Amino acid sequence: EAQVTQNPRYLITVTGKKLTVTCSQNMNHEYMSWYRQDPGLGLRQIYYSMNVEVTDKGDVPEGYKVSRKEKRNFPLILESPSPNQTSLYFCASKRQGGGTNEKLFFGSGTQLSVL
Amino acid sequence: ELKVEQNPLFLSMQEGKNYTIYCNYSTTSDRLYWYRQDPGKSLESLFVLLSNGAVKQEGRLMASLDTKARLSTLHITAAVHDLSATYFCAVDKATSGSRLTFGEGTQLTVNP
Repeated sequence: EAQVTQNPRYLITVTGKKLTVTCSQNMNHEYMSWYRQDPGLGLRQIYYSMNVEVTDKGDVPEGYKVSRKEKRNFPLILESPSPNQTSLYFCASKRQGGGTNEKLFFGSGTQLSVL
Repeated sequence: ELKVEQNPLFLSMQEGKNYTIYCNYSTTSDRLYWYRQDPGKSLESLFVLLSNGAVKQEGRLMASLDTKARLSTLHITAAVHDLSATYFCAVDKATSGSRLTFGEGTQLTVNP
């Protein structure tokens, strides 16, 4: 089954404790991206990757890191989480150059709480 | 800075009625996307609109794009309860579908 898998689904942590949220897709998609969703703000893009070893900042990259060493994986790293990073996070992927078939596939989300 | 505004933000309608959700954006773009999110769930892609005048339809939903007016509409025909969800539009800042700015979302409730 074609899917984007995020782990964990729920995470409670404390300020300053490094964490990684994993994202993996099995569709051989070139493009992957991370978003955070906050009430009243819709989704905001954190980082994106057009292909292996190619990453770039989105609209709210501060406090986050990413890497794309393999095509299928795109982990999101919070080196020193702070309470303002409490949010619902989504990973997404899509095929590049597919025209109207360029649908974004989203993972199930990770609800992060930083105390 | 690209701004994307949806209205209404909340919409309660009766089954069988028609209604339109509007998505306005502030800078030039030829690529617009619509997504659906059920409560507590992830987002599902509905439509990809890639040119002025593009119109896509699936079931009771029809989306259109007017790039000159910087406006997209999502029209709901003869609403049914299953359409209750939050609908987001997203506009691409780039030309590759890589830099999406989302609207706040329209929370739709369809009442029997």
